[in-house]
Amino acid sequence: SQQGEEDPQALSIQEGENATMNCSYKTSINNLQWYRQNSGRGLVHLILIRSNEREKHSGRLRVTLDTSKKSSSLLITASRAADTASYFCATVTNAGKSTFGDGTTLTVKP
Amino acid sequence: DAGVIQSPRHEVTEMGQEVTLRCKPISGHNSLFWYRQTMMRGLELLIYFNNNVPIDDSGMPEDRFSAKMPNASFSTLKIQPSEPRDSAVYFCASSFEDYGYTFGSGTRLTVV
Repeated sequence: SQQGEEDPQALSIQEGENATMNCSYKTSINNLQWYRQNSGRGLVHLILIRSNEREKHSGRLRVTLDTSKKSSSLLITASRAADTASYFCATVTNAGKSTFGDGTTLTVKP
Repeated sequence: DAGVIQSPRHEVTEMGQEVTLRCKPISGHNSLFWYRQTMMRGLELLIYFNNNVPIDDSGMPEDRFSAKMPNASFSTLKIQPSEPRDSAVYFCASSFEDYGYTFGSGTRLTVV
């Protein structure tokens, strides 16, 4: 099964609301990354958090990592219609091997 | 930098034909990854290279798939012979050390 698994599978919110997506994984990691993919496009790197970090911010994005629970969350604050996309977490091992989850499809309604 | 460049963007081929996908990573990046994305299986890592050397090809589905990286600025993924179940979007990505990956726009492969 996938190393990283996101939930929920789909999320629909109103513009201005916050969106939270979660990612769980099974084995030890070097870092965990979040990506966004718009329909028909390639993935865009959003943020990377290393195994010795607990929280990171980038603009309206906030990522947390709990290595004891093997889980991470991505929070998008004050969402915009342009945030509509699929969001993926990727876990990277010390050997450099990456595994992507199945993604969360976010719809932000104007 | 123009980013990770993949070609072709779209490929339609008949079953049994050889398909070659190409990737030019970002200059200075030392890791290159090939992924396949389908609705059924999501995003799968096929193979990745570090400093032009294949590190892990355990994701390559069958011997029909092969990948090469003859130099730091070019990689190919070849499928021979192709089958309809190989239809997918194939992405190439590159990175420097253990930083985030930059993805190409993908090659949409359809095998009929």
